[in-house]
Amino acid sequence: KNEVEQSPQNLTAQEGEFITINCSYSVGISALHWLQQHPGGGIVSLFMLSSGKKKHGRLIATINIQEKHSSLHITASHPRDSAVYICAVMEYGNKLVFGAGTILRVKS
Amino acid sequence: DTEVTQTPKHLVMGMTNKKSLKCEQHMGHRAMYWYKQKAKKPPELMFVYSYEKLSINESVPSRFSPECPNSSLLNLHLHALQPEDSALYLCASSSRDPANYGYTFGSGTRLTVV
Repeated sequence: KNEVEQSPQNLTAQEGEFITINCSYSVGISALHWLQQHPGGGIVSLFMLSSGKKKHGRLIATINIQEKHSSLHITASHPRDSAVYICAVMEYGNKLVFGAGTILRVKS
Repeated sequence: DTEVTQTPKHLVMGMTNKKSLKCEQHMGHRAMYWYKQKAKKPPELMFVYSYEKLSINESVPSRFSPECPNSSLLNLHLHALQPEDSALYLCASSSRDPANYGYTFGSGTRLTVV
């Protein structure tokens, strides 16, 4: 079993839909990242969380440390949101452990 | 300046060539990382430099040779690579306290070995 599990692996949505991507982890962490990667591109850090909830524009990230679970929500999705979304946890000692990623496609 | 800059963006090299990938940041971060990412896979850690000293080498073959000449620069020297080394090579940096300040990733170098 991977230390970081994401679901779903693939997600297709219609423009305007509310999207949720989930991340569960099994190790003790100091922080959790949500990352975005467009095809063939580099990685952009969207959020870093150690507790609670963060919001940036149409993106919202939450984390429940007790349940070892985090979610990334996208409101009013748009085709430009199409990308791979990666959950990565920072173990104590600052090592990043990546999930397999969720491939999101938003159709117009 | 809140970016990690990687050059070149694309590189095609033969198996007998020697080339270098470069990574630069001016955020005062004291930890820098090289990751390798194959298509449709998450990044894999290769090397970590902390305060310009190599602190982690994840059993990477010697045909990859990292170098950290100063606190802003990180190089990855490539020699006698194999076609299976073709991948996206990502550089990242973090502050002394990444749990509070996170990581910053570069855009990557897309390497093709022919």
